[in-house]
Amino acid sequence: GENVEQHPSTLSVQEGDSAVIKCTYSDSASNYFPWYKQELGKRPQLIIDIRSNVGEKKDQRIAVTLNKTAKHFSLHITETQPEDSAVYFCAASPLGGGYQKVTFGTGTKLQVIP
Amino acid sequence: GAVVSQHPSWVICKSGTSVKIECRSLDFQATTMFWYRQFPKQSLMLMATSNEGSKATYEQGVEKDKFLINHASLTLSTLTVTSAHPEDSSFYICSARDRSRKGEQYFGPGTRLTVT
Repeated sequence: GENVEQHPSTLSVQEGDSAVIKCTYSDSASNYFPWYKQELGKRPQLIIDIRSNVGEKKDQRIAVTLNKTAKHFSLHITETQPEDSAVYFCAASPLGGGYQKVTFGTGTKLQVIP
Repeated sequence: GAVVSQHPSWVICKSGTSVKIECRSLDFQATTMFWYRQFPKQSLMLMATSNEGSKATYEQGVEKDKFLINHASLTLSTLTVTSAHPEDSSFYICSARDRSRKGEQYFGPGTRLTVT
């Protein structure tokens, strides 16, 4: 089955700096890679996703890159703000077919220091 | 749009009793719903995947007789924890995939289960 590894497990940055979270996956059948933000005690929220036919996607201060050959993808947050502090999860999933199981990474706790 | 509700938000029950958790997609049809379990400061662990009208597919190590899943319609899935024990205490989160928006998954707010 799919195995998603995520690094680092914790990340502290100064407000205004950039934060990068990296994930690797093992199953070449995975072609959909969402990123979720989870604040304490709340549900995970989809913040950005990328599909395997695209190498990079950007949404304001958030960008995601995908390297299919190397099987890794990354989340980049620029100009970090205190409200960016949360746990971030990457995930990988095959699209198509009936199963579509999503495998999550272990999470990165991001702390943005004012 | 794409709202998923979950009920109850928290529940306390005694050992040996059963608890049912509901997951509803409020404004979209969900062909697939997922049930996760999350321990404090840990990632989401997929328990099972359910497709409307068919039996749920359970992950390895998850007891299907203990965690009963019923996906009765395109907007409702239920998880019943049978004969609950203290070790079943956890945060249970469901998610649903929007039939019309391929791939995107939306999470419910979660249910905090405490078994005494």
